Amino acid sequence: QSVLTQPPSASGTPGQRVTISCSGDSSTIGSYTVNWYQQLPGAAPKLLIYTNNRRPSGVPDRFSGAKSGTSASLTISGLQSEDEAEYYCAAWDAGLSGPVFGTGTKVTVL
Amino acid sequence: QVQLRESGPGLVKPSETLSLTCTVSEYSSDYEYSWVWIRQPPGKGLEWIGGLFLSGSTHYNPSLKSRVTISVDTSKKQISLNLRSVTAADTAVYYCARAKGVVIYYMDVWGKGTAVTVSS
Repeated sequence: QSVLTQPPSASGTPGQRVTISCSGDSSTIGSYTVNWYQQLPGAAPKLLIYTNNRRPSGVPDRFSGAKSGTSASLTISGLQSEDEAEYYCAAWDAGLSGPVFGTGTKVTVL
Repeated sequence: QVQLRESGPGLVKPSETLSLTCTVSEYSSDYEYSWVWIRQPPGKGLEWIGGLFLSGSTHYNPSLKSRVTISVDTSKKQISLNLRSVTAADTAVYYCARAKGVVIYYMDVWGKGTAVTVSS
């Protein structure tokens, strides 16, 4: 089973831009699209970005995603206090024949 | 929007079977969607348990495959999870989710989750 690697933490002041990386391999990100989930404290994960860079209805446009090769990134442009949460990337894993999640990044708004 | 609600015992004894139910507000017969179970141990990340396609076929995480069964009762709009021979390592919040995609999918709607503790 592959692992998607994320930095454990990221932070910024309100209004700043924060970027979270997600590193996979050829059996995950290198072959499939990436999705991002936001998990607020004590809540269930919520779909934030799907198919690399698409936002579901209702997700603010300050959230954007990108993918290149075997890596992906999530950018929060104009960080807000309500963005303080855990963020997980996810992609299909050919070896697992199922989805695999990233290790998670806790975003703190200073 | 579709809503999912997990239910089941919050405490299970070691070696017993964990049984959870996910009730769906709108059970779509659209083959575009699948149903999955995911869990999150305390303070840890997310782990995919398995999924059920509308065709009726299932697939499971190889690390849990020997102990897991996912099934559906369409008349009750319920997806069930059974995990046998549980240990303390199975203590987690268990989520059911709708997944968009026929073969390869992503989870687009999640339930609120239900916490399960394995302890005697």
